[in-house]
Amino acid sequence: KQEVTQIPAALSVPEGENLVLNCSFTDSAIYNLQWFRQDPGKGLTSLLLIQSSQREQTSGRLNASLDKSSGRSTLYIAASQPGDSATYLCAVRHWNSGYALNFGKGTSLLVTP
Amino acid sequence: NAGVTQTPKFQVLKTGQSMTLQCAQDMNHNSMYWYRQDPGMGLRLIYYSASEGTTDKGEVPNGYNVSRLNKREFSLRLESAAPSQTSVYFCASRGADRGDTQYFGPGTRLTVL
Repeated sequence: KQEVTQIPAALSVPEGENLVLNCSFTDSAIYNLQWFRQDPGKGLTSLLLIQSSQREQTSGRLNASLDKSSGRSTLYIAASQPGDSATYLCAVRHWNSGYALNFGKGTSLLVTP
Repeated sequence: NAGVTQTPKFQVLKTGQSMTLQCAQDMNHNSMYWYRQDPGMGLRLIYYSASEGTTDKGEVPNGYNVSRLNKREFSLRLESAAPSQTSVYFCASRGADRGDTQYFGPGTRLTVL
């Protein structure tokens, strides 16, 4: 079974810092990888999706990279803001998973003013 | 365009009671999913429906049934609720746009006493 691990579990940074969230997965035969944001008491919002053939995707201050061979993805957030405070989840879709996603447990980010 | 909607938002049940969680999407997506989210466990797939008329078990299907009523609606039923089913339940749908992105509803917070 695909295991998805996110490190760190929690992170607190002052506003303006650049930061990196990590995601690792045990089976490199993935179809794609998604990063989601979840605000307290809310659903998940998709931030970036990287296909297995891609190395990175960018959206505004967010950049996600994928290294399939090492089973790793990183989410880079530039110039962090208090509004970035949320839980960030990594999810992997495996080739034989029937479109289902395997989620990590998330990184809880707090950006302080 | 409401996206994915779920009802109810909150529910308290007694052990042994039954209930149905409702989910609807207005994005004309073929695939729909039910996940549960528990502290320390991340999101786990309960059931999914790749297309209207089909349903398949996910990682944790025991104690649940689903119905894909039509293309828009996918319901989750608890026939005899147990305290172990206390969780937050999310419905999601997936379309071909933006690659393979899954769109999530706001969730139903269920407590079984």
